[in-house]
Amino acid sequence: AQSVAQPEDQVNVAEGNPLTVKCTYSVSGNPYLFWYVQYPNRGLQFLLKYITGDNLVKGSYGFEAEFNKSQTSFHLKKPSALVSDSALYFCAVRVTLHAGNMLTFGGGTRLMVKP
Amino acid sequence: EADIYQTPRYLVIGTGKKITLECSQTMGHDKMYWYQQDPGMELHLIHYSYGVNSTEKGDLSSESTVSRIRTEHFPLTLESARPSHTSQYLCASSGLTGTNTEAFFGQGTRLTVV
Repeated sequence: AQSVAQPEDQVNVAEGNPLTVKCTYSVSGNPYLFWYVQYPNRGLQFLLKYITGDNLVKGSYGFEAEFNKSQTSFHLKKPSALVSDSALYFCAVRVTLHAGNMLTFGGGTRLMVKP
Repeated sequence: EADIYQTPRYLVIGTGKKITLECSQTMGHDKMYWYQQDPGMELHLIHYSYGVNSTEKGDLSSESTVSRIRTEHFPLTLESARPSHTSQYLCASSGLTGTNTEAFFGQGTRLTVV
């Protein structure tokens, strides 16, 4: 089955420190991978995507993600965390169904950045 | 900000009532989706559509129904609301063709059935 997994329910990091939110995927063929962020009482906002090309993808708010084919991972990173980065983060992959393509999401990771 | 809108943002309603959650997008996307989000945050796809007159059920079984009469509009209806329907409902749309593959989400509707 085509899917993504986020192994950590929560990640805690101190402000100013680097952060990593993990994501692994399982798809057939070349993966299209995405990261979204959700702030309280809001919908999901698109952060970045990997389609093809450079394995390091840069996105919104200083976030970046590294595509690693051998490890089937797409971890989200930021060199210096801000308290305002505290939110829910979702990894997603495009999957192909009989009627076309769609996104399937991981279970989400809550990021807590402490001052 | 993406041009996709959900109304209402919050709804508290009694058991047995019929409700419709509205979702509209102005991006001309063919594909639209409804997700149900647990209090524990996991997203579950309950309905999707690939265009006008196309509706499909998602991974999570839901007693709700949807319709897609117009490209921009994808309402979700519960004929008889129950407390087990209490949840956050998120609508999304996307092109999902070529490299324009990301989905755009509305603000969500938080439904409470009492």
